Amino acid sequence: GQNIDQPTEMTATEGAIVQINCTYQTSGFNGLFWYQQHAGEAPTFLSYNVLDGLEEKGRFSSFLSRSKGYSYLLLKELQMKDSASYLCAVGNTDKLIFGTGTRLQVFP
Amino acid sequence: DTEVTQTPKHLVMGMTNKKSLKCEQHMGHRAMYWYKQKAKKPPELMFVYSYEKLSINESVPSRFSPECPNSSLLNLHLHALQPEDSALYLCASSQLAGPNEQFFGPGTRLTVL
Repeated sequence: GQNIDQPTEMTATEGAIVQINCTYQTSGFNGLFWYQQHAGEAPTFLSYNVLDGLEEKGRFSSFLSRSKGYSYLLLKELQMKDSASYLCAVGNTDKLIFGTGTRLQVFP
Repeated sequence: DTEVTQTPKHLVMGMTNKKSLKCEQHMGHRAMYWYKQKAKKPPELMFVYSYEKLSINESVPSRFSPECPNSSLLNLHLHALQPEDSALYLCASSQLAGPNEQFFGPGTRLTVL
């Protein structure tokens, strides 16, 4: 089976740092993607990890440990506009398998 | 042009209607996807087209019929849908099928009465 788990909801304060975790158990693995989706909008690509370690992109960083089946997305200097759902997805042959998604609410 | 467009934005149809959703991209991508997304849930893959050929059908009921007339266009034909098929239908494309960044369109909000 394919299991990709994330916390359902998280809250944080503007200016803070938040870490969104993703654990996966899948039959295949071609990399780990993170997408952001604002309510009523399409998902947009944030990051891609295929090797272990940290990838940094501005305020967003993503980490992968393949041996542990674990990834996280780190958001720094949170802004109100970061309130959205964050989806991790495992690349598997020709497709992406999305996790359950985490709804992040940022408060002033 | 780094955009995936979808029409219509909203669609309301009865259970006996036949309608089609359209998706277009002009990024030269050779893989295109249809997803279904229910409220507060992640997107669920329905179909993958690679080089205009259907490569993955995730056991989708036959009342959904995909078509890829050329490398830029993807259609989803709908017939005899059920109310539980009401959802946001997202189209996406990527350079190639596989572990590549997918670009999503804004979606079609479908309501089946």
